[in-house]
Amino acid sequence: GDSVTQMEGPVTLSEEAFLTINCTYTATGYPSLFWYVQYPGEGLQLLLKATKADDKGSNKGFEATYRKETTSFHLEKGSVQVSDSAVYFCALSDRGNQFYFGTGTSLTVIP
Amino acid sequence: DAGVTQSPTHLIKTRGQQVTLRCSPKSGHDTVSWYQQALGQGPQFIFQYYEEEERQRGNFPDRFSGHQFPNYSSELNVNALLLGDSALYLCASSRSTGRAEKLFFGSGTQLSVL
Repeated sequence: GDSVTQMEGPVTLSEEAFLTINCTYTATGYPSLFWYVQYPGEGLQLLLKATKADDKGSNKGFEATYRKETTSFHLEKGSVQVSDSAVYFCALSDRGNQFYFGTGTSLTVIP
Repeated sequence: DAGVTQSPTHLIKTRGQQVTLRCSPKSGHDTVSWYQQALGQGPQFIFQYYEEEERQRGNFPDRFSGHQFPNYSSELNVNALLLGDSALYLCASSRSTGRAEKLFFGSGTQLSVL
């Protein structure tokens, strides 16, 4: 069945460091891929998405490219800020009905 | 524009009891999905409602049931509660048109079963 595997956390970085959170997926069809973020005490919010191979999603300085050949959708940011501290979830959806989420990666950015 | 609203925010029950959680979708959305998020885990799909019917279901027992009303709001019911049902229950809404519709999540109901 469809599934998502993402990098184990927690991740701790200094402000302005480069961030990569790895995500790989397994799907029988041609899924859409998402990154959601959950700030402390809040619900999940969509960070970015990509709907087909080679698409790049971007938002708030975060980027992820849909790589069909490696079944990956790694999240990157060139310079993290303290305000980026949150839990990040990679997810896929096939036909928009059921979403499959990874286990989440906790990011802490220290000044 | 109100987003997805859930009630209550917190709930404490004992084993064997029954619970009902409520969700109002974002304005303009007609599809409601429910997810269970255990501590330290990603959300797990319970089921999805569209046009007042269950459209798809995840790997959850029949103790978990739901309902969608004509105004698109939804309820999640869990019977015969187990300790393992303790989790954050998230409601997400979306539009039924097209694929890759993003989900909008509520802040969740934290259920504790003692």
